Amino acid sequence: GQQLNQSPQSMFIQEGEDVSMNCTSSSIFNTWLWYKQDPGEGPVLLIALYKAGELTSNGRLTAQFGITRKDSFLNISASIPSDVGIYFCAGRYNNNDMRFGAGTRLTVKP
Amino acid sequence: EPEVTQTPSHQVTQMGQEVILRCVPISNHLYFYWYRQILGQKVEFLVSFYNNEISEKSEIFDDQFSVERPDGSNFTLKIRSTKLEDSAMYFCASRRGPDPLDTQYFGPGTRLTVL
Repeated sequence: GQQLNQSPQSMFIQEGEDVSMNCTSSSIFNTWLWYKQDPGEGPVLLIALYKAGELTSNGRLTAQFGITRKDSFLNISASIPSDVGIYFCAGRYNNNDMRFGAGTRLTVKP
Repeated sequence: EPEVTQTPSHQVTQMGQEVILRCVPISNHLYFYWYRQILGQKVEFLVSFYNNEISEKSEIFDDQFSVERPDGSNFTLKIRSTKLEDSAMYFCASRRGPDPLDTQYFGPGTRLTVL
């Protein structure tokens, strides 16, 4: 199956620090997406990647679609308290439906 | 900005009872999805729906589950006889089309508690 391995499971950082998380899979994907989920809410799309090697930024967030199409990372620079939440990677192959990673729980200490 | 809505926000039911979770996808979207998230765990795909039929379903989506688009705006998930392990957040999502650039938008979720 198309299982995604996301790491780390959780991170505790100081405000202002940079953060990096990644996802790997044994299967290839055509699209990688990164979502953030706040408590009690649905996932919200942060960044979508459509091409192997693509590097995309959205404000303080940067994500890359791995060359092998089997991995992706998300970086958050200069973290702030509102970055707290759970970050999920998701992959999609062709028009199949998304599969999610287990999530990275981010805690930012002021 | 258009958004996916879901009702109710929280449903409490007794084991063995039927529940219907409701979703209103974004109006010009054609692809609809249900996902489940057990507390503290990852989001799991249940089913996708297009052109009034199921296009893909996961192993979680067994005979106890069904989906329907009863009219032009609602998309429902029915669980026929709930089990304790059905307790989870259920998210509806919709997508405009099959283009890879068309991303899924999630609703706020319905928290289902089975007692």
